[in-house]
Order: sequence, then structure tokens, then C-alpha cells
Amino acid sequence: QSELTQPPSVSGAPGQRVTISCTGGSSNIGAGHDVHWYQQLPGTAPKLLMYRNSNRPSGVPDRFSGSKSGTSASLAITGLQAEDETDYYCQSYDSSLNGWVFGGGTKLTVL
Amino acid sequence: QEQLVESGGGLVKPGGSLRLSCAASGFTFSDYYMSWMRQAPGKGLEWISYISSSGNTIYYADSVKGRFTISRDNAKNSLYLPMNSLRAEDTAVYYCARMEDEESGMDVWGQGTTVIVSS
Repeated sequence: QSELTQPPSVSGAPGQRVTISCTGGSSNIGAGHDVHWYQQLPGTAPKLLMYRNSNRPSGVPDRFSGSKSGTSASLAITGLQAEDETDYYCQSYDSSLNGWVFGGGTKLTVL
Repeated sequence: QEQLVESGGGLVKPGGSLRLSCAASGFTFSDYYMSWMRQAPGKGLEWISYISSSGNTIYYADSVKGRFTISRDNAKNSLYLPMNSLRAEDTAVYYCARMEDEESGMDVWGQGTTVIVSS
């Protein structure tokens, strides 16, 4: 069981907007630790998609946005494209574990 | 081009040992904190170990504490993970990744190396 909880799957039609939630607790997101998001295509290493809650690395389209509030964070994807269909993970630092925690991952399906 | 390349994975019997390496290039390795993650077949990502840029601060996940040891050689631009007392549940793809600091994301990842623990 992950310290960060994500929905196992989300879906949306091309062009639509979807959000992926990441719920933590008082020792990670709720403690003020930043949330980062990764995109992982099948058979490849994860790629940093969003860092420090809402910042996009260069090269990431502005269709992707992130937010954080309280003990939760969200990744929003607008203008869904077929190439967005893959797995997404949130991650934060956990003070009580003295380590980093990942969400269980969310599979995005583009209908 | 900033790059991390893992090596050292393979097939090992339960109770055996392996030593993973992660070679860095294209950036100043000694400026960055480093972590190891793993991903079991069909499962999510799991952070397992961290080392600060100087090597003075080290953390482990409970799942590997006492069995795995993280180290780095900044002169050789390399990160290491000797793994002992391997179990079937250690079977996974192992990734190394760099971090600017403890609160930053992991912005460069290696391609991964596969460890299979089986008799």
C-alpha cells in the first residue's frame, strides 16, 4: 500500500480534460513537501513531468499543469491526445519515513 | 547530453548477491544527490535508497535496510548498490536518478537494469 494514493485509472476522450489526484498525509504532502509527477511510457524509464507541484520542465507541453492543496495534489491534462495514454506517478518526500514515496500510479486511457 | 547508465543486473539465486552500478556523464556528478528506485514486474515505482552529493547522508527504505548499501565515487562519476541476501521480492527493474536537492524532482533517470531473483 502506497503512502500516496492515486486512482488506478482515469480516462477521457481526445480533446477533453482529465485530472489525476494524489492524496497523501501529514508526513508528506500535508507537511509541506513538494509533489512531483512522472510519466512512464511502456518499457521505458519514468520522465519528470512536473516538479515542485506546478513547474514544467522544458519540453513538457503547457497542456499539463499541477497543483497542490493541503494533503493532496493534482495533475491536469487538457486537450487530451492519444500519445498521453500511459502511466503517471506522483512522488513526495515523507518526513516520518526519511525517504521518498510514490503513488501507486494511474493509467490514463484516451478513449 | 546528461545521461545515467545502469549496469550489473542479472539472474541470481535467493540469498545471493549482486552489485549494481550507475555511470553518470554530461553533468557534474558531484553536484547532485542520487537515488535508486525499483519497479517490480507490472507494479509501481518504489524508492529504495538515497545518497547526498558528498556521500555523508544516506537513507534506505525499510524493505532493503540491512541488505543493500548505497555508495558513490565522485572521482569516477559513479553510483553503486551492492545487494545482499536477495529475495524473490527483490525482482525488479532498478533505476538510478539524480536530484538537485531533497525537495526537487528526479530529473534524469537511467534506462534501468533488470534483477531477477529465482532458483
